[in-house]
Amino acid sequence: AQKITQTQPGMFVQEKEAVTLDCTYDTSDPSYGLFWYKQPSSGEMIFLIYQGSYDQQNATEGRYSLNFQKARKSANLVISASQLGDSAMYFCAMITNDYKLSFGAGTTVTVRA
Amino acid sequence: DAGVIQSPRHEVTEMGQEVTLRCKPISGHDYLFWYRQTMMRGLELLIYFNNNVPIDDSGMPEDRFSAKMPNASFSTLKIQPSEPRDSAVYFCASSLRSGHYNSPLHFGNGTRLTVT
Repeated sequence: AQKITQTQPGMFVQEKEAVTLDCTYDTSDPSYGLFWYKQPSSGEMIFLIYQGSYDQQNATEGRYSLNFQKARKSANLVISASQLGDSAMYFCAMITNDYKLSFGAGTTVTVRA
Repeated sequence: DAGVIQSPRHEVTEMGQEVTLRCKPISGHDYLFWYRQTMMRGLELLIYFNNNVPIDDSGMPEDRFSAKMPNASFSTLKIQPSEPRDSAVYFCASSLRSGHYNSPLHFGNGTRLTVT
């Protein structure tokens, strides 16, 4: 069974600085996809970024980038130039050939002015 | 383009009552998922459908829970009878997968269920 581990329950970051959120995963499937979602205090789940297991390049979407290290089975999210609106819970998730998206426990990010 | 629509947004009910949560997926999406979120257990997949057919219901906690998808534009999650431990936020999500991993799930705003 696949497993997603997010070891940082909470983080503080200063506005305009970068923050890295850790995510490690475990699967025996050679084909899989990795996602990051943001959940602000209002509760909705917002898709941020995707990385495929066969993608050669690290994914980037605006201020979000994914540091994908396949051999280490890690898929860390980097948020550059943090803004107050980035304060939220962030979830790492993985999908394999059963098409089920499994989530990690999440990391709460608080951006300080 | 409308997103995934869930109703109601909030539901408060007494133990033993039947609860029905509703979901309208994004038009054209072929996969539909029901998740439950609690502080203790995080986000758990309850069941998912492909082209209206239930594919995996291994996450459904017990027989009190049932889900249906009578057509491509509507799904329900029913709890009968409800118990206080069912209190959680229930999310519906849909995606256009068609055999590819890179299609993200689009989530509804969730239904916050409180069972007293």
